[in-house]
Amino acid sequence: GAGVSQTPSNKVTEKGKYVELRCDPISGHTALYWYRQSLGQGPEFLIYFQGTGAADDSGLPNDRFFAVRPEGSVSTLKIQRTERGDSAVYLCASSANSGGPYGEQFFGPGTRLTVL
Amino acid sequence: QKEVEQNSGPLSVPEGAIASLNCTYSDRGSQSFFWYRQYSGKSPELIMFIYSNGDKEDGRFTAQLNKASQYVSLLIRDSQPSDSATYLCAVNEGFTGGGNKLTFGTGTQLKVEL
Repeated sequence: GAGVSQTPSNKVTEKGKYVELRCDPISGHTALYWYRQSLGQGPEFLIYFQGTGAADDSGLPNDRFFAVRPEGSVSTLKIQRTERGDSAVYLCASSANSGGPYGEQFFGPGTRLTVL
Repeated sequence: QKEVEQNSGPLSVPEGAIASLNCTYSDRGSQSFFWYRQYSGKSPELIMFIYSNGDKEDGRFTAQLNKASQYVSLLIRDSQPSDSATYLCAVNEGFTGGGNKLTFGTGTQLKVEL
């Protein structure tokens, strides 16, 4: 079946602009995660959704970052007033397991964000 | 700060040999452990997960977990050039809000040489 999809695959923007990154999880997966990966580093947790609600947003670096999942499926990560330090690959993952520490997460291809 | 440590490598092994990748973690409360493979320019791909002390085998891959020593390892038998990639160790931080927040190491680069 179809895996996690993310659009766009690449996004180049100018400092100060607003961007939206989209994630479409595996069908039927209730849990959705956003991570950010900088060059040479492992993915870093940003936010977790269970259904429509953000159950854990402790990884969002500041209030310029916001994410929504209005219908419990597709999620959008929104970044306001982008800064050069926001440049990274933004990864989305989904999991069928709705609770507990045992959910296997499957990653999408990522969106490479470059802020000039 | 919860940490996951991996040797960045590169770890070079000849084709057909066993590759051993190691990972240590700081949070004694961690309950689940995952190994991901990441090819250059691609996203992480789940290889294996382990929850209980001991070994878990899946094909050419064996994950080993020792909670008392807080380390988890991945063995790759009969290494192939196609195994050349970065291997990421991920450890759960505990289930906040019902989920499975993972902390990743920086990854170990594996090179399998002909």
